[in-house]
Amino acid sequence: GAGVSQSPRYKVAKRGQDVALRCDPISGHVSLFWYQQALGQGPEFLTYFQNEAQLDKSGLPSDRFFAERPEGSVSTLKIQRTQQEDSAVYLCASSLAPDSEAFFGQGTRLTVV
Amino acid sequence: RKEVEQDPGPFNVPEGATVAFNCTYSNSASQSFFWYRQDCRKEPKLLMSVYSSGNEDGRFTAQLNRASQYISLLIRDSKLSDSATYLCVVPPSGSARQLTFGSGTQLTVLP
Repeated sequence: GAGVSQSPRYKVAKRGQDVALRCDPISGHVSLFWYQQALGQGPEFLTYFQNEAQLDKSGLPSDRFFAERPEGSVSTLKIQRTQQEDSAVYLCASSLAPDSEAFFGQGTRLTVV
Repeated sequence: RKEVEQDPGPFNVPEGATVAFNCTYSNSASQSFFWYRQDCRKEPKLLMSVYSSGNEDGRFTAQLNRASQYISLLIRDSKLSDSATYLCVVPPSGSARQLTFGSGTQLTVLP
């Protein structure tokens, strides 16, 4: 596609429920990033993929968070046993290289109730 | 000290005013920088890249001061449509792989 696509746009989950967020990056972009953005804050890094390899997951807040990109294109961020503090916008970005311009998807707004 | 620090604002300025934001960074090895713009409930989008001492694009000027480790963004003749949050971004360095974002500066241009 022309841009980064994320789905769903909005997700309401009951506390304790598992959720899966999808990111479809720009075709040919090697680098893929997941960020978490709380209201009034800048995006906070979660994890980074180069093709299918997850090279950095230092930003994942707990072991309830898991990300994969098995074929080097589409990526899924999974959150198990969601908690209220997980409520945020989850942004996916892709770029040709780690230090080049990153293009963002519109994000998934997760609300845990 | 945080890697990237910005004055959160908010900056409220009248139409036509000139406004400037500063951003400080901690890693002296950083070579290039970005300013992103984020509208309310939208994704961040690239506004400008800064690779040397500065960059100018129409009403927008970005400057880099390596000695003091800060980047500035100047907006001249501000428009209502400039109202947004402006994010300072530092690319990866060392073993880091990710772009690092500041917390953003909120600008509201008033009629």
